[in-house]
Amino acid sequence: DSGVTQTPKHLITATGQRVTLRCSPRSGDLSVYWYQQSLDQGLQFLIQYYNGEERAKGNILERFSAQQFPDLHSELNLSSLELGDSALYFCASSVGTGIAKNIQYFGAGTRLSVL
Amino acid sequence: AQKVTQAQTEISVVEKEDVTLDCVYETRDTTYYLFWYKQPPSGELVFLIRRNSFDEQNEISGRYSWNFQKSTSSFNFTITASQVVDSAVYFCALSEALGQGGSEKLVFGKGTKLTVNP
Repeated sequence: DSGVTQTPKHLITATGQRVTLRCSPRSGDLSVYWYQQSLDQGLQFLIQYYNGEERAKGNILERFSAQQFPDLHSELNLSSLELGDSALYFCASSVGTGIAKNIQYFGAGTRLSVL
Repeated sequence: AQKVTQAQTEISVVEKEDVTLDCVYETRDTTYYLFWYKQPPSGELVFLIRRNSFDEQNEISGRYSWNFQKSTSSFNFTITASQVVDSAVYFCALSEALGQGGSEKLVFGKGTKLTVNP
């Protein structure tokens, strides 16, 4: 068990809908990362938060947004869902920033199916 | 730009065979970290190892060993005496040191699916 908790484990929804994925980092970790794993794109970095502030953006669509709350949990919001958004979404956390502290531990993922 | 290449898409071996998973990376940075993660059929990503760019010593952990060679930009992973429980997809990843305000995002290879048959 990595200590990173993601809910829900599975999500089935329809095109055009909006969903929220939740992540609780390991105790003491300040950085949260979101990744998307799809068959065609592989594992892609979406966004990073550090202690409530956005740190970096990757290949994240404008229909997607995220935030990190004062208690350090994070939510990834996906809106106007399309069939191509079906994927496994991972959250990872690390102690802080600075590469020496960056071992990212991953949650079990949320499998999103858009029908 | 950072890039990680895992040329082997799938490997199938018989239990007790040794198997090496290849990883080649590209980066312009002199300070970086390399990682291996395991994704078993259950789907989670499990951290295996991290090496920094200044430490080229090979590392052994039980049946696992890693060979880091900067001269060839490779970070290969060997499983000795493979077991059925080693069946998984293995990902190699790279993280650069971007300094203050930067992101330590991981850039992943496409993964190698290892099947160990009894």
